[in-house]
Amino acid sequence: AQKITQTQPGMFVQEKEAVTLDCTYDTSDPSYGLFWYKQPSSGEMIFLIYQGSYDQQNATEGRYSLNFQKARKSANLVISASQLGDSAMYFCAMREVFNAGNNRKLIWGLGTSLAVNP
Amino acid sequence: DTEVTQTPKHLVMGMTNKKSLKCEQHMGHRAMYWYKQKAKKPPELMFVYSYEKLSINESVPSRFSPECPNSSLLNLHLHALQPEDSALYLCASSQDTQYFGPGTRLTVL
Repeated sequence: AQKITQTQPGMFVQEKEAVTLDCTYDTSDPSYGLFWYKQPSSGEMIFLIYQGSYDQQNATEGRYSLNFQKARKSANLVISASQLGDSAMYFCAMREVFNAGNNRKLIWGLGTSLAVNP
Repeated sequence: DTEVTQTPKHLVMGMTNKKSLKCEQHMGHRAMYWYKQKAKKPPELMFVYSYEKLSINESVPSRFSPECPNSSLLNLHLHALQPEDSALYLCASSQDTQYFGPGTRLTVL
């Protein structure tokens, strides 16, 4: 069965420093996609970054990068130069393998709450 | 443009009320989703519509009734809800990546 594990319930980082949020996954399918979402206290779920299992390079989007280690089945999110506005809940998710009507579900981790200190 | 809109932003209703949540997207996505999210938990999938047809119902109680009038709109009709249904309700749409709306915070008294 597919599974996402986020082992850090809460993290603190000093403003302007980098922080890594951990995500490990379990799947037996060679084709999969991994997502990171940010959810501030306002509630909106914001898509940050995507990594496909066959992508040769680690995904990057501005200050966000994904440290993808396929053999270890990890897809850690790295946020560089943290800002106060980065304080939020961060969810790692994997697209389900089974294709039900071409709309595969997301399997979610429990999330990591990140607090950026000034 | 990756915008999904949801109305209302907040909703308070009694257990005997009937209300509706609305979701709209203009990205041409053919899949739309309803999620329920409790505080400090990941979202739980409720329904998926694909090409305006209901494709997934995650055994949601019948007091929640989804509707997809067209490819851009998704509604969630609420009737006889319970206090435990109080949560953040998120709508999403996708072609591949799911993009979410800002959510409706529902309180059932």
